This record gives sequence, structure tokens and C-alpha cells, in this order.
Amino acid sequence: GDSVTQMEGPVTLSEEAFLTINCTYTATGYPSLFWYVQYPGEGLQLLLKATKADDKGSNKGFEATYRKETTSFHLEKGSVQVSDSAVYFCALQPGGYQKVTFGIGTKLQVIP
Amino acid sequence: DADVTQTPRNRITKTGKRIMLECSQTKGHDRMYWYRQDPGLGLRLIYYSFDVKDINKGEISDGYSVSRQAQAKFSLSLESAIPNQTALYFCATSEAGRDEQYFGPGTRLTVT
Repeated sequence: GDSVTQMEGPVTLSEEAFLTINCTYTATGYPSLFWYVQYPGEGLQLLLKATKADDKGSNKGFEATYRKETTSFHLEKGSVQVSDSAVYFCALQPGGYQKVTFGIGTKLQVIP
Repeated sequence: DADVTQTPRNRITKTGKRIMLECSQTKGHDRMYWYRQDPGLGLRLIYYSFDVKDINKGEISDGYSVSRQAQAKFSLSLESAIPNQTALYFCATSEAGRDEQYFGPGTRLTVT
């Protein structure tokens, strides 16, 4: 079946550091890929997405590129802020069907 | 006002009790979902509904039931709560043909 693999963390970074959160997936066909973010005490919200190979999703300084050859969708940000502290979920959705498979979530802590 | 609301936000109950978690949405979406979130396991799908007359089991439906009372309302019931159902529960919605899901703020349930 479909699956998403990401590290649980926590990942602890100093403010203005470079961020990478790795995500790899297993799926048949050509799924859409997502990053959702969960701020403390809130539900998940979509951060960015990519729907086909080589697409780059971007939002709020975050970006991720859909790499079919390595089945990866790593999240990056050049300079993190304290306000980026949250849990980040990688997710996939098979084409034509709305059931989404989520990874376990990676907790990011940014310290001043 | 929030588009997806969940009640209660926090609940403590005893083993064997029946409990209902409620979800309401004002987004006009046909599709609604219930997930549970556990540390180290991420989000897992309990039930989903693509319209009022459509109910489907997710990956962990045992011990749960749902009711779709209207397009805007989707309730999750635990007929006889057990401690391993202690978790954070999220309701989500999506629009048919669109891939983004919109999450409520969550209900923290503790079964003692």
C-alpha cells in the first residue's frame, strides 16, 4: 500500500538556519504530494503541494520539489524563524481519489 | 468564525462510556473525514464520507462509528470507550475534485 516516511524529530535549529526535512514515499502511479503544517494547539493546514514530477511547490519561504526518480519530496527553507516552530507532515494522495496518506510528522523547534 | 469546528475541544471519560465527538463545517464541502493523531504514528483515517449517503471505513475503524446528519455535520462515536482510544481527533473536509483538506482544531480525548 501507499506509505510516507519522514523522521519524527524533534529537529532543533537556531533562528536563520537552513532547514531540510526529508520525505520519501511509496505509491503506485503518480500521486500528488503535500506538506501540511500544524502549529501548537491547531489543526493541520496545507503549506504547499506538487501534483506531478519535477513540480516545485512553494509558500511562506518553504519549498519542495517532486522527485519521482528518488520518490522524494523534501521540505526546505533558507532561513527559519521562531514562528516556524510546528509539526510538519508530508502526505500523498493517489491520482483521482481523495484518501490522503500522512507521514508521522516532524516536529521543528526554532530557538532564538 | 472558524470554517470547521469540533466539539468538545477536550474530554475526559471513563472506560466503557459512550461518547460522541461532533464536527460542523460552513465551507459547503461534500467530503468529510475523521482522523486520530498519536505520537509516532501521525494521522490515521478512521472514517470518511463523500456525501450524506456515503460512509466508508478508513484504516482504523474498529471501535468507532459515524453519522452524517447533514452535509455540514459529521459525528464520530465511541460506543464503549477504552484507554487506547486516548488520542487527538481531527475532523477534516474537502471539496469534490480538489485535493486540499481543511482541518478542525481537534478534540483531545482521554479515556481513563
